[in-house]
Amino acid sequence: NAGVTQTPKFQVLKTGQSMTLQCAQDMNHNSMYWYRQDPGMGLRLIYYSASEGTTDKGEVPNGYNVSRLNKREFSLRLESAAPSQTSVYFCASSERLAGAGEQYFGPGTRLTVT
Amino acid sequence: AQTVTQSQPEMSVQEAETVTLSCTYDTSESDYYLFWYKQPPSRQMILVIRQEAYKQQNATENRFSVNFQKAAKSFSLKISDSQLGDAAMYFCAYQSGGGADGLTFGKGTHLIIQP
Repeated sequence: NAGVTQTPKFQVLKTGQSMTLQCAQDMNHNSMYWYRQDPGMGLRLIYYSASEGTTDKGEVPNGYNVSRLNKREFSLRLESAAPSQTSVYFCASSERLAGAGEQYFGPGTRLTVT
Repeated sequence: AQTVTQSQPEMSVQEAETVTLSCTYDTSESDYYLFWYKQPPSRQMILVIRQEAYKQQNATENRFSVNFQKAAKSFSLKISDSQLGDAAMYFCAYQSGGGADGLTFGKGTHLIIQP
């Protein structure tokens, strides 16, 4: 039981390049989330998926797109990376969309855009 | 929109002592949940404790307990008998009970344990 896995762990991009961050969970959770964490900040919600087939914007969605490929997988895409997107990205999953459903976090992806 | 404020960027405590981390939040909702997450240097986010707003009783998990003051919108974390392994960033987080907005985090408190 791996929990929430993310690939890659580290990535360096040049401005304007694109990439997809992958996330998968093996806990059969309905809801999945993408957050970013900048220095001196808590995590901020980028996008979330309440259930397979649905996605919604969070607090900071600009410059990102997401795909809920199936119940297990939720990917985050940067179409044209910018230095402001340098951050650590966390994926999380939860049994319930709202309420005291604990969110389980992946180990994070450190992305640097030069 | 909800906001979460942690006013202590850094706290230091002697091993085996007790420390309290502060958190305040702002919301107009009556149904919500509050959490404390720990982030050690490994970067992994670990749930420490959670509190349902409708519950009067403060949550407790072993050496960790909260002081939830709903009227004051305050949610502090008390760590008793501090251990070296408690050294980490601690984040307070809010989740709407009826909505679907994920978690709203504070900026965190860096906890240092002095041996």
